[in-house]
Amino acid sequence: DAGVIQSPRHEVTEMGQEVTLRCKPISGHNSLFWYRQTMMRGLELLIYFNNNVPIDDSGMPEDRFSAKMPNASFSTLKIQPSEPRDSAVYFCASSPGGGLNTGELFFGEGSRLTVL
Amino acid sequence: AQSVAQPEDQVNVAEGNPLTVKCTYSVSGNPYLFWYVQYPNRGLQFLLKYITGDNLVKGSYGFEAEFNKSQTSFHLKKPSALVSDSALYFCAVSGYNTDKLIFGTGTRLQVFP
Repeated sequence: DAGVIQSPRHEVTEMGQEVTLRCKPISGHNSLFWYRQTMMRGLELLIYFNNNVPIDDSGMPEDRFSAKMPNASFSTLKIQPSEPRDSAVYFCASSPGGGLNTGELFFGEGSRLTVL
Repeated sequence: AQSVAQPEDQVNVAEGNPLTVKCTYSVSGNPYLFWYVQYPNRGLQFLLKYITGDNLVKGSYGFEAEFNKSQTSFHLKKPSALVSDSALYFCAVSGYNTDKLIFGTGTRLQVFP
């Protein structure tokens, strides 16, 4: 089975440009998570969806960040405009969901974003 | 609010020796605790979890963790370390009826031949 698929794997852009990161969760998983990893802050939960509905977006840094999940097999994280401090590795993860407390999140390989 | 703390940025151990990676937690109610591992340039992988029951939990790759309620700890252990165990290890906590995980800052494990 394919795991969580993220694209692009690497993105280098200039300050002020729009960045869109994409994620395809594992088929049948009901929960999807976006995390950001940096040396300074570690692993931060940005937002998570359950059954395509955003449940908790309290970790989204500011209005420049937005996330959507138009259907069960696709999600995007958009940064507009991007800033150098947004440079990080962004991970998407999915889980069976439903509040099962499995805790078994399946992570993608990450999208490494560099904003110059 | 739920949180976990990993007091050590790095743990060094010789191959064949036992290893311990420390984690303490702070939650209201019953804790749901997890360990994940991250290899270079990869996403995190689930190792093991404690939900309820036996305080000693066994997981992947020979790892185990001991839940200690009185010390609010959930330390990761392995009887005999391998060089291939070298990676970044994260402790995490979630609350009841949610899959939302809050991760610790991570501990880098270095196993020397």
